Amino acid sequence: NAGVTQTPKFRVLKTGQSMTLLCAQDMNHEYMYWYRQDPGMGLRLIHYSVGEGTTAKGEVPDGYNVSRLKKQNFLLGLESAAPSQTSVYFCASSYSRYSTEAFFGQGTRLTVV
Amino acid sequence: AQSVTQLGSHVSVSEGALVLLRCNYSSSVPPYLFWYVQYPNQGLQLLLKYTTGATLVKGINGFEAEFKKSETSFHLTKPSAHMSDAAEYFCAALAGANNLFFGTGTRLTVIP
Repeated sequence: NAGVTQTPKFRVLKTGQSMTLLCAQDMNHEYMYWYRQDPGMGLRLIHYSVGEGTTAKGEVPDGYNVSRLKKQNFLLGLESAAPSQTSVYFCASSYSRYSTEAFFGQGTRLTVV
Repeated sequence: AQSVTQLGSHVSVSEGALVLLRCNYSSSVPPYLFWYVQYPNQGLQLLLKYTTGATLVKGINGFEAEFKKSETSFHLTKPSAHMSDAAEYFCAALAGANNLFFGTGTRLTVIP
């Protein structure tokens, strides 16, 4: 049971380049989330999904897009990367809205130069 | 609006001393509350959670937290710190929304 798997683990982009971060979970969870973690700011929610085919904006959605075409996968896209998007990105999933635990991936460290 | 405040971005304790990490929440509805721990270069791991019922919650690795509605607090404690407790700790709240709100984190250093 792998839990939540994020790929890639590290990436360096040039300003203006695009990329997609993949999150996969094998726990049949309905809810999936993308967070970014920055020093002194904790985790901030970018986008989330409450089920296959649905997505919603979180606290800091600008510059990102997401898709949930399959229940087990949640993709985070950067269309035109900016240095301000240098961060560590975490994906998480949970069984339901009132789930008592969210399971996190190990993170993707993204640097935009 | 929901928010979570963690007092103290850095806390240092001696090995064997009491660990106290503070968390206060702001919510218009009773929240579910969580403490997560993050070890270097790893994702977040659940330490403990409060949903309903007993207000004193015990978690893994000897940690516990008490939900105090009157103080809107959920402080994390451990009677005796170990070197292996050095990590970053995040308080989070889930209240009337589809996502967790996290505090800004507290980095715990344990001094030998």
